[in-house]
Amino acid sequence: SQKIEQNSEALNIQEGKTATLTCNYTNYSPAYLQWYRQDPGRGPVFLLLIRENEKEKRKERLKVTFDTTLKQSLFHITASQPADSATYLCAPNTGFQKLVFGTGTRLLVSP
Amino acid sequence: DADVTQTPRNRITKTGKRIMLECSQTKGHDRMYWYRQDPGLGLRLIYYSFDVKDINKGEISDGYSVSRQAQAKFSLSLESAIPNQTALYFCATSDPSYQETQYFGPGTRLLVL
Repeated sequence: SQKIEQNSEALNIQEGKTATLTCNYTNYSPAYLQWYRQDPGRGPVFLLLIRENEKEKRKERLKVTFDTTLKQSLFHITASQPADSATYLCAPNTGFQKLVFGTGTRLLVSP
Repeated sequence: DADVTQTPRNRITKTGKRIMLECSQTKGHDRMYWYRQDPGLGLRLIYYSFDVKDINKGEISDGYSVSRQAQAKFSLSLESAIPNQTALYFCATSDPSYQETQYFGPGTRLLVL
C-alpha cells in the first residue's frame, strides 16, 4: 500500500539556522508533491508544490526538492524564525486526483 | 471573510447521537473533501465530492455519510456517534487547475462521550 513517512519527532533548531524536513514515500510514483503548514488547532495551509520533472522549487525562504529516484522530498527553511514553528505536512498526489497527507513533522525554532 | 467555513467549531455529544458538521465555501471550487485528524495518524480522507452529483468514499468512510447540497455546501453526518469518532474534522476544497491544491476550513473539534 502507499506509504508516506515524515519524522514524527519534533525538530528543534535555533533561530537563524536552516531547518530541513524529510518526506519519504513508497509503493507509488506521484506526479507532484505539496507541502503544507499547520498551526495548532488550525487547518493546514498550502506552501509549495513541486512536480516530478522539477528538481527544486523556491519561494522566499522556502526550498523544496523532489528526488523521484530516492522517493524523497526535502523541505528547507533558511534563516529560520520563531514564527516558523509549526507542523509541516507533505502530501504527494495519488494519481486519482487526490492527495495523501503525511503525519507531519513539528518544527520548533528557539530564539 | 474566510473562504472555507465550518460549523460548529466545537461540539460535545453522547454516544448514539446523530450529528451533522457543515461546511461552506466561497472559492467557487467544485471539489470538496472531509478529513479527520487524529494525533499520530495525520489527515485521513472520509469522503470527497468532485461536483454536486459526484460523491465518493475515502479511506475511512464507515460510520459517516455526506450530503452535497450545492456547489458551496458539503455536510458530514455521524449517524450514530461513537467515542472513537472523537477527532478534529476538516473540510477542504481544491483547485483542479493547480494540481488539487487544497484550501482547508478552520476545523471542528468533536468529542463523543
